Parts: sequence; structure tokens; C-alpha cells
Amino acid sequence: DAGITQSPRHKVTETGTPVTLRCHQTENHRYMYWYRQDPGHGLRLIHYSYGVKDTDKGEVSDGYSVSRSKTEDFLLTLESATSSQTSVYFCAYWGGGYTFGSGTRLTVV
Amino acid sequence: AQSVTQLGSHVSVSEGALVLLRCNYSSSVPPYLFWYVQYPNQGLQLLLKYTTGATLVKGINGFEAEFKKSETSFHLTKPSAHMSDAAEYFCAVSVPDSNYQLIWGAGTKLIIKP
Repeated sequence: DAGITQSPRHKVTETGTPVTLRCHQTENHRYMYWYRQDPGHGLRLIHYSYGVKDTDKGEVSDGYSVSRSKTEDFLLTLESATSSQTSVYFCAYWGGGYTFGSGTRLTVV
Repeated sequence: AQSVTQLGSHVSVSEGALVLLRCNYSSSVPPYLFWYVQYPNQGLQLLLKYTTGATLVKGINGFEAEFKKSETSFHLTKPSAHMSDAAEYFCAVSVPDSNYQLIWGAGTKLIIKP
């Protein structure tokens, strides 16, 4: 699994509920990223982290927050899920290139 | 600002034929360049990358790409297509001084005809 896992793999949630997606890496890499992938929009950066407790916004950060309390874990929270956040979410770390997790398919109903 | 253009959202080739996927970029400084492949319902996997040095880069699965600075291109090729190459391919370029953020192309879906 290239040392990076995402959980859950699939989730269905209701509009207005908070949702947290988890990304876990075992490689001790400093830089981590959250993307969403949607047809017609390609890959869009949501947030990224450059160290423990160091995070910054990407191009589509509205409605999302992140936390990184340990090097190995990078959490993405949808504060109040909306249907427009239905997407496939990928996390990645930088190790001379990006290594991606297998993704989380989130459906907001 | 950096940008990446992939020519053709879909490319169709016959099995055994040459694969050519085009990528052009704009960058104010010499970039790092990447090609990734995504199979259905999977994450993206690094095919190859250019950072410095030799401009012809070999990757996995028989793919290679050539960095041409004068043409600001990084086209992906494979001499002979295989059915298993059917996937979506993404070109990406690094953003200087950005904590290794990448700018992504829109992707090209490679279709292999038997």
C-alpha cells in the first residue's frame, strides 16, 4: 500500500453532518496533501501540511478543515457536509514525488 | 503562474501501436515534471519524473518521457500499447517555493483498441 492508507474507503452521510476522513502514513514524511477529484475538474488541492500543526489552505478549502497532531496522521473534516462535497478524496505525501492513498468515495445525501 | 496543458481528453490507439500523450507546461523556473497513471477506482501512481539531469526519463511499464525546455513540453510515450495501459494519465509540474505543491493537467484517458 506504499505506506499510506485512507479511511473509510466509502462513506454516505447526510447533509449538515460533520465528517472526518483519515489519512495515515508510515513513512515519516513531512509534507502531506488532501485533494478532491471530480469529473471535469480534475484534481483540486483542499489543504496541505508541512509539518505537525503546520497547515495551509489550497484552492478549494471553503467548508473544510484539517488537523495534523502527529506526523503520521492528517485528518480532513467537512464541518457541515453539503451535496457539493460529494467527491472522491485523495491524500498524498511528498517523498520526491507524490504517493497517493487509495481514496475515499464520499456521498452526501 | 504555472499551468499544465494536456492535449486531448481522450486518446485512442490500437494495441501494439505507439502511445503519445502530450503535456505542455508554463513555468518561470526549471520545474520538476511528473506523469501519473490512474486505473479505475484506484489512486494515482507515479509513472516517472524529471527533476534534473538526463532529459529522457524512463518509468514503469515501458513508458518514457522527454523534457524539452525549448518547447516547454514533457510528452509521454510508449512504443507498443498493451490493453493493460488503458487508464487515465495526468501530467503535473511543481510550483517553486510552495512546499512541493503541484499543478495538474486535466488528464488524458487512454483507450486501447484490440
